[in-house]
Amino acid sequence: EIVLTQSPATLSLSPGERATLSCRASQSISSFLAWYQQRPGQAPRLLIYDASNRATGIPARFSGSGSGTDFTLTISSLEPEDFAIYYCQHRNNWPPAATFGGGTKVEIK
Amino acid sequence: QVQLVESGGGVVQPGRSLRLSCAASGFTFHNYGMHWVRQGPGKGLEWVAVVSSAGTVTYYEDSVKGRFTISRDNSKNTLYLQMNSLGTEDTAVYYCAKEGSGVGYLAFDVWGQGTMVTVSS
Repeated sequence: EIVLTQSPATLSLSPGERATLSCRASQSISSFLAWYQQRPGQAPRLLIYDASNRATGIPARFSGSGSGTDFTLTISSLEPEDFAIYYCQHRNNWPPAATFGGGTKVEIK
Repeated sequence: QVQLVESGGGVVQPGRSLRLSCAASGFTFHNYGMHWVRQGPGKGLEWVAVVSSAGTVTYYEDSVKGRFTISRDNSKNTLYLQMNSLGTEDTAVYYCAKEGSGVGYLAFDVWGQGTMVTVSS
């Protein structure tokens, strides 16, 4: 079973700053990793799929990188609406179960 | 407009049953695998179950195996989750989620707004 470990648990930054979030897999998962944003009281929203592809409508300030076991989500310049919790997620063809990381909360400093 | 709308949540006593529904619109429902994902109060996301596009293949997270059943009715564009023998640990917001397309098929590109299930005596 793949385990995804996100760090840090909390990131305290100011608007306009760069955010760098990490997701580490317990074994190689190629590029099969997605990132989601969840604002309070809302459903998760897909940001990045296949490690580095932005989903439809996602601003260019969001970017993903990595392969194998180490992945990064970067927000180049934080906007007020970006303060939220971010989750990474992996799924295989088989078994088709999904795994989520524990989340990183990006909070206003 | 692509949309998923869950319903059926509520307060239920331990050991009882509940059935959740997820109505899909704005996309060709029968072309996509569908999932249920839950989130306990103040907790992270936990994947629960998947059903294939045709409804012939299902898979479950270990803690719900034998208690929950995922199914779909492609003629009604609706996904279901039958939950039996509910325990307090099943208290959560339950989201339905659609598999992505093409290269992104291993991600979830559309989510419902969630329906709250509270298991309490």
